[in-house]
Amino acid sequence: DAGITQSPRHKVTETGTPVTLRCHQTENHRYMYWYRQDPGHGLRLIHYSYGVKDTDKGEVSDGYSVSRSKTEDFLLTLESATSSQTSVYFCAINPGAGGFGLDEQFFGPGTRLTVL
Amino acid sequence: SQQGEEDPQALSIQEGENATMNCSYKTSINNLQWYRQNSGRGLVHLILIRSNEREKHSGRLRVTLDTSKKSSSLLITASRAADTASYFCATSSGGSYIPTFGRGTSLIVHP
Repeated sequence: DAGITQSPRHKVTETGTPVTLRCHQTENHRYMYWYRQDPGHGLRLIHYSYGVKDTDKGEVSDGYSVSRSKTEDFLLTLESATSSQTSVYFCAINPGAGGFGLDEQFFGPGTRLTVL
Repeated sequence: SQQGEEDPQALSIQEGENATMNCSYKTSINNLQWYRQNSGRGLVHLILIRSNEREKHSGRLRVTLDTSKKSSSLLITASRAADTASYFCATSSGGSYIPTFGRGTSLIVHP
């Protein structure tokens, strides 16, 4: 898994509660991404980061925020979880050796989040 | 919004047969990638093909790219039960090199 871990791996929470998912990499790569995967939609980009404290929005960023205070950690926060945020969340990194996004992405194992 | 769309959505074959899945996209691309996802796992990168390339091979995998038709195909030869997975194409285009994923093809290989 290219040194990528996600925590927690499974979480059940209630509507309105805050939730933080963590992505940790051991390779010191610059580019990190958060995706959600839902049946019928494939993977959709939530937020991405191109360095410490450098982040930007993806296709489905509403209701999510991110932070990256260290190269190795990229946090995804749901400020007030809703049932529509029930999904599987994947973190990915891009080595970027060929330039931003010119190389393949490596994915973490995923976090299954259920919001009741 | 999806840039690439895989076809078929589902494919069921016998072990030893070849499996072909296609990806069509709408706008010019920088590169196109294919990924595999086993049930309950993260995606695994298979092949990246750049817009100026027409064919790439990796083991039993063959990817072609036809930019005039805005399409790509992934061929898995002599399939095995272990090839059972979902396969996704991902394209990057314009000034953004962040890949956009399709909805995937679900492949089942029967032993």
